[in-house]
Amino acid sequence: DQQVKQNSPSLSVQEGRISILNCDYTNSMFDYFLWYKKYPAEGPTFLISISSIKDKNEDGRFTVFLNKSAKHLSLHIVPSQPGDSAVYFCAALIYNNNDMRFGAGTRLTVKP
Amino acid sequence: DAGVIQSPRHEVTEMGQEVTLRCKLISGHNSLFWYRQTMMRGLELLIYFNNNVPIDDSGMPEDRFSAKMPNASFSTLKIQPSEPRDSAVYFCASSPSLGGYTFGSGTRLTVV
Repeated sequence: DQQVKQNSPSLSVQEGRISILNCDYTNSMFDYFLWYKKYPAEGPTFLISISSIKDKNEDGRFTVFLNKSAKHLSLHIVPSQPGDSAVYFCAALIYNNNDMRFGAGTRLTVKP
Repeated sequence: DAGVIQSPRHEVTEMGQEVTLRCKLISGHNSLFWYRQTMMRGLELLIYFNNNVPIDDSGMPEDRFSAKMPNASFSTLKIQPSEPRDSAVYFCASSPSLGGYTFGSGTRLTVV
């Protein structure tokens, strides 16, 4: 049961442009959402998060948008850099349960 | 703090053999999660523990998989007998009661 879905397995963008990574979820009980970034041969590392009481959270070049009615969130990276090339996982949890579910990941390639 | 430590980093074994993956949590973290990463399904939650107690093992694929947490800082994931379809990268992650996860670097398992 894939409660968190990332429908694009890969994305390629030019350096300096915007990268938009999308994520959909099915469980309306989720109230906290996170993005993780993973380089080859390393574990995922936390990137940015958003609570369901917000619709936007920004941290430098990274912004996460949440649309609760559509059960959709997205990660924007502006401007994209070659070092951003990695697999990005969307994750969601019911905060008091601390039981996180991940999407399948999107491989981002930023071309110089 | 050395972070979450997994061993071994790589494991190659023959079908039918027993495999044991190990994970050392970050001191003070009391939740432990085992994930499996495959190309098709991304990161799947296998089992998680809170205060050494298994909370949800519904993600464990079959009875061949078992996980233990003999103390607050250590966990094992055992596959017996192993099969080629078990080949994947296995991650463990730990977190405080409520908060972000820290992942280990993963164990790449190949069953031939």
